[in-house]
Amino acid sequence: DGGITQSPKYLFRKEGQNVTLSCEQNLNHDAMYWYRQDPGQGLRLIYYSQIVNDFQKGDIAEGYSVSREKKESFPLTVTSAQKNPTAFYLCASTSRGGTEDEKLFFGSGTQLSVL
Amino acid sequence: GENVEQHPSTLSVQEGDSAVIKCTYSDSASNYFPWYKQELGKRPQLIIDIRSNVGEKKDQRIAVTLNKTAKHFSLHITETQPEDSAVYFCAGGWGGGNKLTFGTGTQLKVEL
Repeated sequence: DGGITQSPKYLFRKEGQNVTLSCEQNLNHDAMYWYRQDPGQGLRLIYYSQIVNDFQKGDIAEGYSVSREKKESFPLTVTSAQKNPTAFYLCASTSRGGTEDEKLFFGSGTQLSVL
Repeated sequence: GENVEQHPSTLSVQEGDSAVIKCTYSDSASNYFPWYKQELGKRPQLIIDIRSNVGEKKDQRIAVTLNKTAKHFSLHITETQPEDSAVYFCAGGWGGGNKLTFGTGTQLKVEL
């Protein structure tokens, strides 16, 4: 699998702990996104970034934080303020942000569970 | 904002039969409707998409139809095979990951 790499595949969080999920892409895409996937629900947008050093909150940003210091990387931190973090997290990218004709490319996901 | 509803949530068909999954949307300004296939524990993959200026699009055994007046679009899979078993997601919006609303998914099972 090339394109977008997420790590780790599985992650466990203890109470009160912050954890960081990695997302790296080699597609030279400008825009990157983080989604949360829960059973029986559609993908929900957490944060997105259309250019380096800029990012925007999505629909469910509370308890999460991101950074975009490099074009290739968009890590997601799940903070202790996120009380229900157990979910499958998907990172995605598009070649340009916020425009039409932009197809999403997804990473393979990280399953986060609470110990 | 956009609201996308997807039905059914589960669908079982016999190998060789056709499968149809339907989605409705609420915002008449939406003009991009992709479908994704997600196998267990893997990444969603785009299998087909359609834009509002087109009524139907086909790619081998997969087709998507769009009815703008009724605000619904459907995925059609013909001659289903066991490898078609997966969760299928629809989405609607304007393209770009921050402008898409996803449906809740359909678990398709193709039985031998």
